[in-house]
Amino acid sequence: DPKIIQKPKYLVAVTGSEKILICEQYLGHNAMYWYRQSAKKPLEFMFSYSYQKLMDNQTASSRFQPQSSKKNHLDLQITALKPDDSATYFCASSMGDAETLYFGSGTRLTVL
Amino acid sequence: GDQVEQSPSALSLHEGTGSALRCNFTTTMRAVQWFRKNSRGSLINLFYLASGTKENGRLKSAFDSKERYSTLHIRDAQLEDSGTYFCAAGMSNYNVLYFGSGTKLTVEP
Repeated sequence: DPKIIQKPKYLVAVTGSEKILICEQYLGHNAMYWYRQSAKKPLEFMFSYSYQKLMDNQTASSRFQPQSSKKNHLDLQITALKPDDSATYFCASSMGDAETLYFGSGTRLTVL
Repeated sequence: GDQVEQSPSALSLHEGTGSALRCNFTTTMRAVQWFRKNSRGSLINLFYLASGTKENGRLKSAFDSKERYSTLHIRDAQLEDSGTYFCAAGMSNYNVLYFGSGTKLTVEP
């Protein structure tokens, strides 16, 4: 059974709309992350949270907002979607800082 | 991204043979992880290294922070080893990982 659940697996949205990508982890980890992989580019770090607090943000746009309602949840809200936002978004978690990261299977977002 | 250069981008092996993948880093990294992307698109952890070498079955990885590289050796390749392999490394703030572009491995009968 997957221990990091991302929903939905596939998502199609129209330009200008808003979507929320869901991530839940059942590994008992304290840190969670979002990474993005655009076409033909390596995975890129977006955000990291530790104990539900933002630690690092390397996303230039404020249209991307993580939301952590519980320690094992880190959702990603994306507003005013653009075609360039099309990518696979991966959630990850780790027990603590500087420890092995475990990744979910991703949400593939297509913005038309 | 630019901090990690992974090679080769593609590799074809016959069953039973072996080879090595390599990642070079443009700066000093604190630790490295190796992953394999499976058919469902999930990133499967292979190794986490802060130094030295680790071995798991037919896979062996090494990391030299000072020389700025890491390697993943595969021996006695099997068909199920096919997939895309990624290295990822972090600097002093390990939570921010920099990924290589991946090596697509194809193992043929």
